[in-house]
Amino acid sequence: DTAVSQTPKYLVTQMGNDKSIKCEQNLGHDTMYWYKQDSKKFLKIMFSYNNKELIINETVPNRFSPKSPDKAHLNLHINSLELGDSAVYFCASSQFGVLTDTQYFGPGTRLTVL
Amino acid sequence: RKEVEQDPGPFNVPEGATVAFNCTYSNSASQSFFWYRQDCRKEPKLLMSVYSSGNEDGRFTAQLNRASQYISLLIRDSKLSDSATYLCVVNVKSNFGNEKLTFGTGTRLTIIP
Repeated sequence: DTAVSQTPKYLVTQMGNDKSIKCEQNLGHDTMYWYKQDSKKFLKIMFSYNNKELIINETVPNRFSPKSPDKAHLNLHINSLELGDSAVYFCASSQFGVLTDTQYFGPGTRLTVL
Repeated sequence: RKEVEQDPGPFNVPEGATVAFNCTYSNSASQSFFWYRQDCRKEPKLLMSVYSSGNEDGRFTAQLNRASQYISLLIRDSKLSDSATYLCVVNVKSNFGNEKLTFGTGTRLTIIP
């Protein structure tokens, strides 16, 4: 009965590879997010979708491409992985996407690029 | 100036003590403020929202000072289970012109038996 789930939990890969991280929420929320938490623990938003529509797109290399097939899923595809992409990636969701909503985070995907 | 700034700590506090953290924010137009808690190698979870008049939830008290642009978190009678990183969260404008939440780098708290 996990609210926000992500797969895989750990991802170790070589530089230059392409990889995807999947996220699903069963809370019936309209809005989903991708965050990146780097080695200094700085948590920064990357993208947000509301009902499958992109509403936030921060300064992220275009090697990162989010896809939302429906409002319960938000996947992240990363092309040509670089060493600097190593981080923990968190998916989150909130009910309506308004600022007073609580954001519920998934357990994170720890990506290591070798 | 960073959008959200926190003292990273660590704060090492004996069990039962009271501890307080502050967080400053740069955008005077910010309207939404929160404290999230993140345990080691876990995801962030909402601890409490911060309201203009200040609010309390059990042993936790949050305050907002708009004039000085800071929020605070006070923990009374600290427990071992309070050991975590506390993230200050404030809304700012995104590149799309709408609002997003910005997280501080967190204040690490360790409660010592």
